Amino acid sequence: GAVVSQHPSRVICKSGTSVKIECRSLDFQATTMFWYRQFPKQSLMLMATSNEGSKATYEQGVEKDKFLINHASLTLSTLTVTSAHPEDSSFYICSANYADTQYFGPGTRLTVL
Amino acid sequence: AQTVTQSQPEMSVQEAETVTLSCTYDTSESDYYLFWYKQPPSRQMILVIRQEAYKQQNATENRFSVNFQKAAKSFSLKISDSQLGDAAMYFCAYKNYGGSQGNLIFGKGTKLSVKP
Repeated sequence: GAVVSQHPSRVICKSGTSVKIECRSLDFQATTMFWYRQFPKQSLMLMATSNEGSKATYEQGVEKDKFLINHASLTLSTLTVTSAHPEDSSFYICSANYADTQYFGPGTRLTVL
Repeated sequence: AQTVTQSQPEMSVQEAETVTLSCTYDTSESDYYLFWYKQPPSRQMILVIRQEAYKQQNATENRFSVNFQKAAKSFSLKISDSQLGDAAMYFCAYKNYGGSQGNLIFGKGTKLSVKP
């Protein structure tokens, strides 16, 4: 149990376009999901906390208008990177809480050309 | 604010041997959770083991066990009979107790290499 999926696993886009990443809890309901960014050889950096039915809570320094988060159901949260630029290229990981433990999706590698 | 420190950026172990990864943390809370996550080259974060602070007994999962020293705020991971598949980044993480909504605080990670 406690499986989290993430789609797509890889995406390449042109500068200025928007990209949507989906995070789904497959076998449980998650009122809260988390979005992380990970740079090479570094730890995970929390970007925002996604709450079902309400606005996301963003960490300091994360641009709300660039990284749009929607948590429309108890099993789905989406992260949209708007007007992507090369510096947004990174590895994005989502997670969801189940029984006081966070379970992680497999991640999405975003490359902005 | 809570912090998590992993003082060993890299560790190496011979296959079939035992290795211990260190983690210390700082908190003023009395109830919390501690975790070890493994991140292999695929970059999928995998839960290795979890410890509730109120439990005195150290958590164990097959070849993985922890040494939880609450007073010292130490939470080390012991891997016994190391296997090639254990090679990965290992992250120690902390979460406050009280509700399932709390976020994790991660250490910087320890890269474990396993020599055949």
